[in-house]
Amino acid sequence: GQNIDQPTEMTATEGAIVQINCTYQTSGFNGLFWYQQHAGEAPTFLSYNVLDGLEEKGRFSSFLSRSKGYSYLLLKELQMKDSASYLCAVTTDSWGKFQFGAGTQVVVTP
Amino acid sequence: EAQVTQNPRYLITVTGKKLTVTCSQNMNHEYMSWYRQDPGLGLRQIYYSMNVEVTDKGDVPEGYKVSRKEKRNFPLILESPSPNQTSLYFCASSPLAGFSQETQYFGPGTRLLVL
Repeated sequence: GQNIDQPTEMTATEGAIVQINCTYQTSGFNGLFWYQQHAGEAPTFLSYNVLDGLEEKGRFSSFLSRSKGYSYLLLKELQMKDSASYLCAVTTDSWGKFQFGAGTQVVVTP
Repeated sequence: EAQVTQNPRYLITVTGKKLTVTCSQNMNHEYMSWYRQDPGLGLRQIYYSMNVEVTDKGDVPEGYKVSRKEKRNFPLILESPSPNQTSLYFCASSPLAGFSQETQYFGPGTRLLVL
């Protein structure tokens, strides 16, 4: 079956770096996405990886290894507003079909 | 303003009473999708549509219907709601041509309680 795993919760200090891992086992693979979701709000797009390697976008970077079924989201220079849930998602046998992980709650402390 | 709108935002209903949650986008997006979000389970895809008159099942389509008669609208229909459909529902849209760019845009969510 399809499986996308990510840690439930992570805590880090303001100004620090946090790495959120995501492993996936799916029947197919087209691309991997990361979304941010603040409590009570809708998810917002953060990053997209289709090829192996690192994609950098300001304070956020995302890495993909297709052979290992592994991705991580790196959040640098953490700010209090980064406290949110981070969702890993994979499109599998169809571009339109999304599988999401359960999300990682990141808590940023002063 | 570019946006995805959902109505209603909150709904309390009773088992068996048919309901429709509307979703509309003003960005001329080809792709639209419905998700439900439950604690500990994350987002699960119900149905998606790659374009007008084209719909496909996601992972949890049972108990739901959709239609895509116009590009901008993608209503979610619960013909006979049951308590296990109590959830937070999100609609989303995306341009197909730039599928990798800032996909997807999510609506604000509809919180449904079925008694």
